Amino acid sequence: GENVEQHPSTLSVQEGDSAVIKCTYSDSASNYFPWYKQELGKRPQLIIDIRSNVGEKKDQRIAVTLNKTAKHFSLHITETQPEDSAVYFCAASVNRLAFGKGNQVVVIP
Amino acid sequence: EAQVTQNPRYLITVTGKKLTVTCSQNMNHEYMSWYRQDPGLGLRQIYYSMNVEVTDKGDVPEGYKVSRKEKRNFPLILESPSPNQTSLYFCASSLSGTANTEAFFGQGTRLTVV
Repeated sequence: GENVEQHPSTLSVQEGDSAVIKCTYSDSASNYFPWYKQELGKRPQLIIDIRSNVGEKKDQRIAVTLNKTAKHFSLHITETQPEDSAVYFCAASVNRLAFGKGNQVVVIP
Repeated sequence: EAQVTQNPRYLITVTGKKLTVTCSQNMNHEYMSWYRQDPGLGLRQIYYSMNVEVTDKGDVPEGYKVSRKEKRNFPLILESPSPNQTSLYFCASSLSGTANTEAFFGQGTRLTVV
């Protein structure tokens, strides 16, 4: 089945700087790549997603890029703010949604 | 309000006592799934269902059962719970049966098995 890996496990950034989280996946048939944000004590919520026929997608301060050849996709957060501090999960889907282990992002004021 | 509802939110039980965690969605979603979340291990899929009467094992199905008799409900059954099933459980649903649309999560069920 699909195996999704995330790096790094923890990321600390100064407020205003950019954060980048990278994920790799194993199944070349995967066609949907969402990113979820989970704040402390809350449920995961979708922040952005990308499909296999698109290379990049942006939504205000967040963007996702996909490299199907290398089988990796990345989340980019620009101008980080304290409210961006959370755990971020990437996922890949080919008939079922498999998640990575998550990245703890800490934005230092 | 469109939502995924899990019950109970918190549960403490003893080893071997059968329990069921319910999950219901009111969005007419095809796909439903159960995950467990443990520190450092992320969200691991237990079982998933692409449609009514269709269920498949995820990554960690041992010790769990599910059923999908109706589109809206997807209960998780622990026939004989053990302490290693102490975890935070999430149910999720997605419009597409192939899980390539946004997944909506329930509020979570914190299970402790003693």
